[in-house]
Amino acid sequence: AQSVTQLDSQVPVFEEAPVELRCNYSSSVSVYLFWYVQYPNQGLQLLLKYLSGSTLVESINGFEAEFNKSQTSFHLRKPSVHISDTAEYFCAVRPTGFQKLVFGTGTRLLVSP
Amino acid sequence: DAGVTQSPTHLIKTRGQQVTLRCSPKSGHDTVSWYQQALGQGPQFIFQYYEEEERQRGNFPDRFSGHQFPNYSSELNVNALLLGDSALYLCASSLDSGSTYNEQFFGPGTRLTVL
Repeated sequence: AQSVTQLDSQVPVFEEAPVELRCNYSSSVSVYLFWYVQYPNQGLQLLLKYLSGSTLVESINGFEAEFNKSQTSFHLRKPSVHISDTAEYFCAVRPTGFQKLVFGTGTRLLVSP
Repeated sequence: DAGVTQSPTHLIKTRGQQVTLRCSPKSGHDTVSWYQQALGQGPQFIFQYYEEEERQRGNFPDRFSGHQFPNYSSELNVNALLLGDSALYLCASSLDSGSTYNEQFFGPGTRLTVL
Protein backbone atom coordinates (compact mmCIF):
# COMPACT_ATOMS: atom_id res chain seq x y z
CA ALA A 1 0.00 0.00 0.00
CA GLN A 2 1.01 3.59 -0.50
CA SER A 3 0.56 6.64 1.72
CA VAL A 4 1.41 10.31 1.40
CA THR A 5 2.08 12.67 4.29
CA GLN A 6 1.92 16.42 3.94
CA LEU A 7 3.28 17.70 7.20
CA ASP A 8 1.80 21.19 7.08
CA SER A 9 -1.93 21.74 6.76
CA GLN A 10 -1.46 25.47 6.23
CA VAL A 11 1.52 27.63 5.28
CA PRO A 12 1.18 31.42 5.56
CA VAL A 13 3.78 33.46 3.70
CA PHE A 14 4.26 37.03 2.53
CA GLU A 15 4.33 37.93 -1.15
CA GLU A 16 7.76 37.59 -2.79
CA ALA A 17 9.04 35.34 0.02
CA PRO A 18 10.29 31.81 -0.66
CA VAL A 19 8.18 28.81 0.29
CA GLU A 20 8.59 25.07 0.72
CA LEU A 21 5.68 22.63 0.99
CA ARG A 22 6.74 19.30 2.37
CA CYS A 23 5.71 15.87 1.13
CA ASN A 24 6.84 12.43 2.24
CA TYR A 25 5.57 9.14 0.93
CA SER A 26 5.64 5.48 1.74
CA SER A 27 5.50 2.72 -0.83
CA SER A 28 6.78 -0.83 -1.24
CA VAL A 29 6.92 -0.42 -5.02
CA SER A 30 8.27 2.25 -7.30
CA VAL A 31 6.00 5.24 -7.81
CA TYR A 32 5.47 8.27 -9.94
CA LEU A 33 5.23 11.52 -7.96
CA PHE A 34 2.98 14.53 -8.53
CA TRP A 35 2.00 17.91 -7.21
CA TYR A 36 -1.50 19.17 -7.97
CA VAL A 37 -2.97 22.60 -7.24
CA GLN A 38 -6.61 23.29 -6.45
CA TYR A 39 -8.01 26.82 -6.57
CA PRO A 40 -11.27 27.56 -4.71
CA ASN A 41 -14.30 25.83 -6.21
CA GLN A 42 -12.24 24.23 -8.94
CA GLY A 43 -10.88 20.80 -9.79
CA LEU A 44 -7.27 19.71 -9.61
CA GLN A 45 -4.59 20.95 -11.99
CA LEU A 46 -1.31 19.13 -12.47
CA LEU A 47 1.55 21.37 -11.37
CA LEU A 48 4.49 19.05 -12.00
CA LYS A 49 5.44 15.40 -12.06
CA TYR A 50 8.40 13.10 -11.60
CA LEU A 51 8.39 9.95 -13.71
CA SER A 52 12.09 9.18 -14.10
CA GLY A 53 15.40 10.81 -14.94
CA SER A 54 16.48 14.09 -13.37
CA THR A 55 15.33 14.30 -9.78
CA LEU A 56 14.63 18.04 -10.07
CA VAL A 57 11.46 18.91 -11.97
CA GLU A 58 10.12 22.36 -12.73
CA SER A 59 6.77 23.87 -13.63
CA ILE A 60 6.12 26.73 -16.05
CA ASN A 61 5.11 29.12 -13.25
CA GLY A 62 8.27 28.94 -11.18
CA PHE A 63 7.61 25.98 -8.88
CA GLU A 64 10.11 23.14 -8.59
CA ALA A 65 10.24 19.85 -6.71
CA GLU A 66 13.06 17.45 -6.00
CA PHE A 67 12.67 13.70 -5.67
CA ASN A 68 14.79 12.32 -2.85
CA LYS A 69 14.62 8.55 -2.89
CA SER A 70 16.59 7.97 0.30
CA GLN A 71 14.32 10.30 2.28
CA THR A 72 11.20 9.33 0.31
CA SER A 73 10.38 12.98 -0.13
CA PHE A 74 9.14 15.22 -2.92
CA HIS A 75 9.10 18.74 -1.48
CA LEU A 76 7.70 21.63 -3.51
CA ARG A 77 9.53 24.97 -3.57
CA LYS A 78 9.16 28.40 -5.08
CA PRO A 79 11.77 31.15 -4.59
CA SER A 80 9.26 34.02 -4.70
CA VAL A 81 5.50 33.58 -4.33
CA HIS A 82 2.69 35.74 -5.67
CA ILE A 83 -0.76 36.48 -4.29
CA SER A 84 -2.15 34.35 -7.12
CA ASP A 85 -0.34 31.27 -5.74
CA THR A 86 -2.85 31.15 -2.88
CA ALA A 87 -4.46 27.71 -3.25
CA GLU A 88 -4.53 24.18 -1.88
CA TYR A 89 -1.59 22.00 -2.95
CA PHE A 90 -1.78 18.22 -3.02
CA CYS A 91 1.10 15.80 -3.25
CA ALA A 92 0.25 12.45 -4.83
CA VAL A 93 1.89 9.17 -5.78
CA ARG A 94 0.92 6.59 -8.34
CA PRO A 95 2.41 3.10 -8.20
CA THR A 96 3.92 2.23 -11.56
CA GLY A 97 1.67 -0.22 -13.34
CA PHE A 98 -1.41 0.86 -11.39
CA GLN A 99 -4.05 3.42 -12.24
CA LYS A 100 -4.96 5.12 -8.99
CA LEU A 101 -3.48 8.28 -7.57
CA VAL A 102 -2.95 8.33 -3.80
CA PHE A 103 -3.16 11.84 -2.40
CA GLY A 104 -1.99 13.54 0.75
CA THR A 105 -4.36 15.65 2.82
CA GLY A 106 -3.21 18.88 1.22
CA THR A 107 -1.41 22.07 2.26
CA ARG A 108 -3.17 25.40 2.05
CA LEU A 109 -0.75 28.10 0.89
CA LEU A 110 -1.87 31.56 2.01
CA VAL A 111 0.04 34.41 0.41
CA SER A 112 -0.54 37.86 1.87
CA PRO A 113 0.71 41.28 0.75
CA ASP B 1 -11.16 21.67 -27.09
CA ALA B 2 -13.41 21.05 -24.11
CA GLY B 3 -11.79 19.59 -21.07
CA VAL B 4 -13.41 17.20 -18.63
CA THR B 5 -16.97 18.23 -17.82
CA GLN B 6 -19.15 17.09 -14.95
CA SER B 7 -22.82 17.50 -14.12
CA PRO B 8 -24.50 18.64 -12.06
CA THR B 9 -22.32 21.22 -10.34
CA HIS B 10 -24.12 20.92 -7.03
CA LEU B 11 -26.60 18.42 -5.65
CA ILE B 12 -28.52 18.10 -2.40
CA LYS B 13 -29.99 14.75 -1.36
CA THR B 14 -31.36 13.21 1.82
CA ARG B 15 -30.17 10.09 3.59
CA GLY B 16 -31.25 6.86 1.94
CA GLN B 17 -31.71 8.37 -1.50
CA GLN B 18 -29.79 7.42 -4.62
CA VAL B 19 -27.73 9.78 -6.79
CA THR B 20 -26.17 9.70 -10.27
CA LEU B 21 -23.27 11.91 -11.25
CA ARG B 22 -22.09 12.32 -14.82
CA CYS B 23 -18.74 12.89 -16.50
CA SER B 24 -17.69 13.59 -20.07
CA PRO B 25 -14.00 12.97 -20.69
CA LYS B 26 -11.61 15.24 -22.49
CA SER B 27 -11.76 14.84 -26.25
CA GLY B 28 -9.73 11.83 -27.36
CA HIS B 29 -9.64 10.20 -23.93
CA ASP B 30 -10.98 6.70 -23.32
CA THR B 31 -10.47 6.15 -19.60
CA VAL B 32 -12.40 7.67 -16.71
CA SER B 33 -11.50 7.62 -13.01
CA TRP B 34 -13.64 8.81 -10.11
CA TYR B 35 -12.41 10.28 -6.83
CA GLN B 36 -14.16 11.38 -3.63
CA GLN B 37 -12.82 14.46 -1.85
CA ALA B 38 -14.28 14.98 1.61
CA LEU B 39 -14.00 18.41 3.17
CA GLY B 40 -10.44 19.11 4.28
CA GLN B 41 -9.12 15.87 2.80
CA GLY B 42 -7.28 14.78 -0.30
CA PRO B 43 -9.14 12.97 -3.06
CA GLN B 44 -9.61 9.22 -2.65
CA PHE B 45 -9.77 6.86 -5.61
CA ILE B 46 -13.15 5.19 -6.10
CA PHE B 47 -12.70 3.28 -9.37
CA GLN B 48 -11.58 3.52 -12.97
CA TYR B 49 -13.43 2.55 -16.15
CA TYR B 50 -11.86 1.50 -19.44
CA GLU B 51 -13.57 -0.15 -22.39
CA GLU B 52 -16.85 -0.02 -20.47
CA GLU B 53 -15.45 -2.22 -17.69
CA GLU B 54 -14.35 -1.40 -14.16
CA ARG B 55 -10.58 -1.85 -14.34
CA GLN B 56 -9.52 -0.99 -10.81
CA ARG B 57 -11.39 -0.19 -7.60
CA GLY B 58 -10.48 1.59 -4.41
CA ASN B 59 -11.69 0.84 -0.91
CA PHE B 60 -15.33 1.87 -1.33
CA PRO B 61 -18.46 -0.19 -0.56
CA ASP B 62 -20.70 -1.71 -3.21
CA ARG B 63 -23.11 1.20 -2.76
CA PHE B 64 -20.77 2.98 -5.14
CA SER B 65 -21.12 1.75 -8.69
CA GLY B 66 -20.37 3.10 -12.10
CA HIS B 67 -20.84 2.76 -15.78
CA GLN B 68 -19.00 3.78 -18.91
CA PHE B 69 -20.80 4.30 -22.20
CA PRO B 70 -19.54 3.59 -25.73
CA ASN B 71 -18.77 7.31 -26.17
CA TYR B 72 -16.46 7.01 -23.09
CA SER B 73 -18.64 9.18 -20.85
CA SER B 74 -19.27 7.80 -17.40
CA GLU B 75 -21.71 7.80 -14.51
CA LEU B 76 -21.12 7.34 -10.81
CA ASN B 77 -24.06 5.97 -8.84
CA VAL B 78 -24.34 6.00 -5.08
CA ASN B 79 -27.16 4.12 -3.37
CA ALA B 80 -28.53 4.42 0.16
CA LEU B 81 -26.80 7.75 0.74
CA LEU B 82 -25.18 8.39 4.12
CA LEU B 83 -24.28 11.73 5.67
CA GLY B 84 -20.62 10.74 5.21
CA ASP B 85 -21.08 10.61 1.44
CA SER B 86 -21.16 14.42 1.40
CA ALA B 87 -18.10 15.40 -0.63
CA LEU B 88 -16.76 16.80 -3.86
CA TYR B 89 -16.76 14.06 -6.49
CA LEU B 90 -14.05 14.46 -9.09
CA CYS B 91 -13.85 12.80 -12.44
CA ALA B 92 -10.53 12.43 -14.26
CA SER B 93 -9.96 11.28 -17.81
CA SER B 94 -6.91 9.90 -19.60
CA LEU B 95 -5.90 8.13 -22.77
CA ASP B 96 -4.71 4.55 -22.42
CA SER B 97 -1.77 4.69 -24.82
CA GLY B 98 -0.26 1.44 -23.67
CA SER B 99 2.59 3.18 -21.89
CA THR B 100 3.16 2.93 -18.16
CA TYR B 101 2.06 6.52 -17.59
CA ASN B 102 -1.09 8.22 -18.82
CA GLU B 103 -1.78 11.69 -17.45
CA GLN B 104 -5.13 12.20 -15.75
CA PHE B 105 -7.01 15.45 -16.37
CA PHE B 106 -9.53 16.45 -13.72
CA GLY B 107 -12.95 18.01 -14.07
CA PRO B 108 -14.32 20.74 -11.77
CA GLY B 109 -16.25 18.24 -9.65
CA THR B 110 -19.79 17.77 -8.39
CA ARG B 111 -20.49 18.95 -4.84
CA LEU B 112 -22.86 16.46 -3.17
CA THR B 113 -24.51 17.39 0.10
CA VAL B 114 -26.45 14.71 1.99
CA LEU B 115 -28.88 15.98 4.63
